[in-house]
Amino acid sequence: EAQVTQNPRYLITVTGKKLTVTCSQNMNHEYMSWYRQDPGLGLRQIYYSMNVEVTDKGDVPEGYKVSRKEKRNFPLILESPSPNQTSLYFCASSPFTGGQETQYFGPGTRLLVL
Amino acid sequence: QKEVEQDPGPLSVPEGAIVSLNCTYSNSAFQYFMWYRQYSRKGPELLMYTYSSGNKEDGRFTAQVDKSSKYISLFIRDSQPSDSATYLCAMSDDNAGNMLTFGGGTRLMVKP
Repeated sequence: EAQVTQNPRYLITVTGKKLTVTCSQNMNHEYMSWYRQDPGLGLRQIYYSMNVEVTDKGDVPEGYKVSRKEKRNFPLILESPSPNQTSLYFCASSPFTGGQETQYFGPGTRLLVL
Repeated sequence: QKEVEQDPGPLSVPEGAIVSLNCTYSNSAFQYFMWYRQYSRKGPELLMYTYSSGNKEDGRFTAQVDKSSKYISLFIRDSQPSDSATYLCAMSDDNAGNMLTFGGGTRLMVKP
């Protein structure tokens, strides 16, 4: 089954404790992206990647890191999480460097930073 | 002022009603317009995609874009309880899809 998976789905952590949220897709997509969703603000793009070893900042990159060492994986790293990073996070992928019309979203990771 | 404005709702309608969901935007460079549907505890899924002004129909769904008014709409005919979800509009100024700007979403409830 074609899908985007994220782990963990739920995470509670404390300020300053480094964490990684994994994202994997099995569709051989070039383009992957991370978003955060906050009430009333919709989805805001954090980082995106157009292919292996190619990443770029989105709207709200501060406090986040990403890497794209393999085509299928695009982990999101919070080196020193803070409470304002409490949010719902989505990973997405699409088969072209563009093509938002075919963008597939993962199920989401709900993060609480105390 | 946000770049894309969307009434958060909730919007409650009876089954069978015609639903109208709307977004306004301020950036005249936006050319690509999308509607996503998001069920509770799920990721968004693309519902409709349109380029520039005009209408697009897909089954019970019709998307309209009025670039002169910076206003887009999604109409749902014969609404069903299974349409109950949050609807997000999204826009882009290029087809590369590198930067989507989303509205805050409208929560729709269709009552049997």
